[in-house]
Order: sequence, then C-alpha cells, then structure tokens
Amino acid sequence: GQNIDQPTEMTATEGAIVQINCTYQTSGFNGLFWYQQHAGEAPTFLSYNVLDGLEEKGRFSSFLSRSKGYSYLLLKELQMKDSASYLCAAMDSNYQLIWGAGTKLIIKP
Amino acid sequence: GAVVSQHPSRVICKSGTSVKIECRSLDFQATTMFWYRQFPKQSLMLMATSNEGSKATYEQGVEKDKFLINHASLTLSTLTVTSAHPEDSSFYICSAKVGTGESNEQFFGPGTRLTVL
Repeated sequence: GQNIDQPTEMTATEGAIVQINCTYQTSGFNGLFWYQQHAGEAPTFLSYNVLDGLEEKGRFSSFLSRSKGYSYLLLKELQMKDSASYLCAAMDSNYQLIWGAGTKLIIKP
Repeated sequence: GAVVSQHPSRVICKSGTSVKIECRSLDFQATTMFWYRQFPKQSLMLMATSNEGSKATYEQGVEKDKFLINHASLTLSTLTVTSAHPEDSSFYICSAKVGTGESNEQFFGPGTRLTVL
C-alpha cells in the first residue's frame, strides 16, 4: 500500500535549526512536496523535490533520497511564525498526492 | 503563483440542508481540481478528483451521491454537500493543478469551514 510517515510533533527553540523527516512508500513516484499549514488555514507550498539531493530556498531546505524513500525539511533560524504543521506529500504514478498526517512544530522562545 | 479562491469561507447550516462550495482558479485554467476534507488535528483526506467536462473520480468511502462535484469549466468546480449532518462538519479545501500529468504543483484554495448544527 501507499504510506507516508512523519513525526506527529516536534519542539524547537527560536533561532535554532530543526529537521523534519518523512519516509514514503508509493506506487510509482513523481516527486515529494512539503507544505506548511497554519491552524485553520489551507496548506501553502514550500518545496518540491524529484531528484536526489538538497534544494535550498532561503531559511528552508528540502532533501530527497529516492533510493531510501526518504525526505527531510530543514528549517534554519527558526522564528515564532514558523510554528505550524508541516505536511509531507508524495506524488504517485497517477500524479496524485499521498499525504502524511503532518508534523506539528512548536517553537519556544 | 497561481491563485485559487473558495466561497464561502465559513458556513453554518442546519442538519438536512444542502451546502454548495465553489472553487475558482483566478488566473489560470485548471484541468484538474481536487477536493479535500480535513478534520481537526488530522491530515488532508482526498475526497475526489475532478476533471473539467467529465465525472469526478471519488476516493473509496466517499459517497458520490452525498458529495456532488461539478467541474463545469476550466476555472470553476463546485462541491455540494447534500443533506448535511453534524458529522460532515469539517474543513473543506480545494486545490487546482495546472496542465496535465507532468505539471506537478497543486495550488490550494483558502478552505471552507462547514459547521452543521
């Protein structure tokens, strides 16, 4: 079956770095997405990886290893506004997104 | 990026009534739109995939007669929750995909919070 695993909750300190891991199993693979979702709002796109390696975009970076079925989202210089849920989603062979349950990130001062 | 709107943003209705939610792509043509439901503290659950001019494809366990989807044009899809019940109370989110297959990003609408009394 198709499955996405990511931690339920993580806590980090303002100004620090946090890495949110995601493992996936899908029927075919057409890329891995990370979305940010604040409570009561729709998800917003953060990153997309389809090739192995690290993609850096400002304070956020995303890594993919296709052979390991593994991705992570790296957030640097954490700010209080980064407190949100981070959703990992893998696109299968039918170009449908398979969603993880999300990781709730709590930032402490 | 592309903009997707949803209307209404919030709706409260009585049990047994029907509610229509609109999803519009404002500055692009969306060949495919997706409807999701999200219960509190849970991830997005895909309800159906809607292609312009054809019948929607529903996910297992989603009642097509209860959740009517119409994708009448390349910029508009509607979800009608018929005979709503309190257990249908949820956050409904649509997303739209530009182009076919190989164009990967989905753009999300702001969501509609439905409360059924």
